[in-house]
Amino acid sequence: GNSVTQMEGPVTLSEEAFLTINCTYTATGYPSLFWYVQYPGEGLQLLLKATKADDKGSNKGFEATYRKETTSFHLEKGSVQVSDSAVYFCALRPLSGNTPLVFGKGTRLSVIA
Amino acid sequence: NAGVMQNPRHLVRRRGQEARLRCSPMKGHSHVYWYRQLPEEGLKFMVYLQKENIIDESGMPKERFSAEFPKEGPSILRIQQVVRGDSAAYFCASSPPQGDTGELFFGEGSRLTVL
Repeated sequence: GNSVTQMEGPVTLSEEAFLTINCTYTATGYPSLFWYVQYPGEGLQLLLKATKADDKGSNKGFEATYRKETTSFHLEKGSVQVSDSAVYFCALRPLSGNTPLVFGKGTRLSVIA
Repeated sequence: NAGVMQNPRHLVRRRGQEARLRCSPMKGHSHVYWYRQLPEEGLKFMVYLQKENIIDESGMPKERFSAEFPKEGPSILRIQQVVRGDSAAYFCASSPPQGDTGELFFGEGSRLTVL
């Protein structure tokens, strides 16, 4: 079946530190991959996505590369800000289309000044 | 272009009462998905609907929970005889018509508290 495993949090970093949140997946075929972000008390917002192998998604300084060989989609940011404090969810959507997203458990990030 | 609209944003019910959560998808979207998020946990898929059809309800509890997406009007997630364990945030998402493999668009969620 389809599943997503992401590193457990919480993760606490100082401002301007480098961020990596690991995400690996199990899926039939080649799914689309996503990172969503949830700020306190809000819904989920798409952060970035990649739809095929070697694609790099990027947004707001965050990046993730679709690695087929390692079935991974790790999220990175070179210099985090306090405003990046949120819960980050890795997700996949099977290639067959119009199917639900499968989410990881989420990683809570706290950035301190 | 309005996003996915959910209401109510907050709902308080006593044990045994009914909860009804509503979701209007984005304009042009005909597919609706409901997810549940328990405190400090990830999102669990509940049900996927198209207009007047339930496509996948593999994540729905067998009892007390039901969902619909009528031809006219919003999608409704209904929880009968609520219990404390139903306290959670319920998120609705929508996507465009058939064949889409892109992202889902999420609403702000409805937070149910059962006393």
